[in-house]
Amino acid sequence: LAKTTQPISMDSYEGQEVNITCSHNNIATNDYITWYQQFPSQGPRFIIQGYKTKVTNEVASLFIPADRKSSTLSLPRVSLSDTAVYYCLVGDPFSSGSARQLTFGSGTQLTVLP
Amino acid sequence: GAVVSQHPSRVICKSGTSVKIECRSLDFQATTMFWYRQFPKQSLMLMATSNEGSKATYEQGVEKDKFLINHASLTLSTLTVTSAHPEDSSFYICSAREGGAFTDTQYFGPGTRLTVL
Repeated sequence: LAKTTQPISMDSYEGQEVNITCSHNNIATNDYITWYQQFPSQGPRFIIQGYKTKVTNEVASLFIPADRKSSTLSLPRVSLSDTAVYYCLVGDPFSSGSARQLTFGSGTQLTVLP
Repeated sequence: GAVVSQHPSRVICKSGTSVKIECRSLDFQATTMFWYRQFPKQSLMLMATSNEGSKATYEQGVEKDKFLINHASLTLSTLTVTSAHPEDSSFYICSAREGGAFTDTQYFGPGTRLTVL
C-alpha cells in the first residue's frame, strides 16, 4: 500500500478556498486516491475519489497530476463547520479481501477561523 | 452515499466483561468489512478484515482471541471485545465496501466509544 504524506495542520478563514496536498510517491498503477473527513468522535466521511486528472462533486474537487505522485483536495469557500481532520488514502479498489484495506496516515487538521 | 451503522454508539463496562459491537450496512451488501481502533488524537489503526462466511484476517499485534469477529451475513459484522480491560478503552470504527462496476468506496460507521472501568 502506498504511503501518504500530508501537512499536519492548516488554518484558513471562512469563505476562502482551501487546498490540501497529499504526496504518494509510490502509488501503484491500480491505486485510486480517496479523501475522507473526520470530526471528533465520529467515523470518517467519504469526500471524493479519483484516479487521474480532475474530479469534482458537490463538496470538493480533486486534482491529480499526470504522474499521480500527489493529489490536491480543494474545498471551495470553507465554513467553520469544515474544521476537521482530512485523510488522504490510496489503494486498489478492485483487490480482494484484506487487500482492500485502507491505511490511514496522520491526516491534516484543518481549522477554519471566523 | 451508502450508510453504515454501529451499535451501540457508546458503552461503559467493568473490567473483565465482554462487549459486542455491531456494524451494519443499511442499504447495500458488503462481503468485506473492516474494523479500526482510534485512540485520542491519533489516526485510525486497522485491526482486522472481516469476510462474510469466513474467518477474519487480523493485523499484526491484534489478538484474535480477544477481539472476536463474526461476519455472518452480507450486512452484519460483529466485534466482541472479550475480558475487556481499561487499556481496551478506545473508539472502535467499522467500514464496509460498496463496490461498483468501475470503482469502489469504503463507507464508515459512526463509531463506538468503549470505556472500560
